[in-house]
Amino acid sequence: EVVMTQSPATLSVSPGERATLSCWASQSVNSYLAWYQQKPGQAPRLLISGASTRATGIPARFSGSGSGTEFTLTISSLQSEDFAVYYCHQYNNWPQTFGQGTKVEIK
Amino acid sequence: QIALKESGPTLVKPTQTLTLTCTFSGFSLSTSEVGVGWFRQPPGEALEWLALFYWDDDKRYNPYLKSRLTIARDTSKDQVVLTMTNMDPVDTATYYCAHTPLVYSGSYYVGYSQHWGQGALVTVSS
Repeated sequence: EVVMTQSPATLSVSPGERATLSCWASQSVNSYLAWYQQKPGQAPRLLISGASTRATGIPARFSGSGSGTEFTLTISSLQSEDFAVYYCHQYNNWPQTFGQGTKVEIK
Repeated sequence: QIALKESGPTLVKPTQTLTLTCTFSGFSLSTSEVGVGWFRQPPGEALEWLALFYWDDDKRYNPYLKSRLTIARDTSKDQVVLTMTNMDPVDTATYYCAHTPLVYSGSYYVGYSQHWGQGALVTVSS
């Protein structure tokens, strides 16, 4: 299976600052990579699909990039509602797999 | 507006079979390139993909759990049902279903999960 590795595990950021989250795949997943945001007690929320396409209603401060094995989610200016856990998800290979998540916390 | 909701038992005993139902609205599973996936998330852990049901009745399973899983649909009720046999305490998790738009990758149809249900916590304990 494709192992997804996210870094860092925890990211401490002040509101208004930029956050950069990384995700690596153990083999190429082309651009079939999604990012989700999850808050405590809630279901995941799709942010990005196809490595860089924002989902409907997602603010422009969220952007995704990368292809193959290296991917990045950038939050340009963190808002209070952005503090959450973020997961990357490859859907190119079976089984689909997720990273272990990056927790973005208030610094 | 697309919506999904999981339902089923909150507590099952070890060795029992779990049956979860995903009731959806706002889309049709008869429409091409649409699927419904199942996922789970143990407390404090990451997400795990379990199975995917395609609009054309094709199915995909996580190979690590394939022998224990069955996914099927009830067309008359806009529902997708997941059964997992021989439950164990390590299967304690929140189980989610999700609407999955599909695209052809050149080899097979693949998809991300666009809309999620609220999740159903299932505890396995005697």
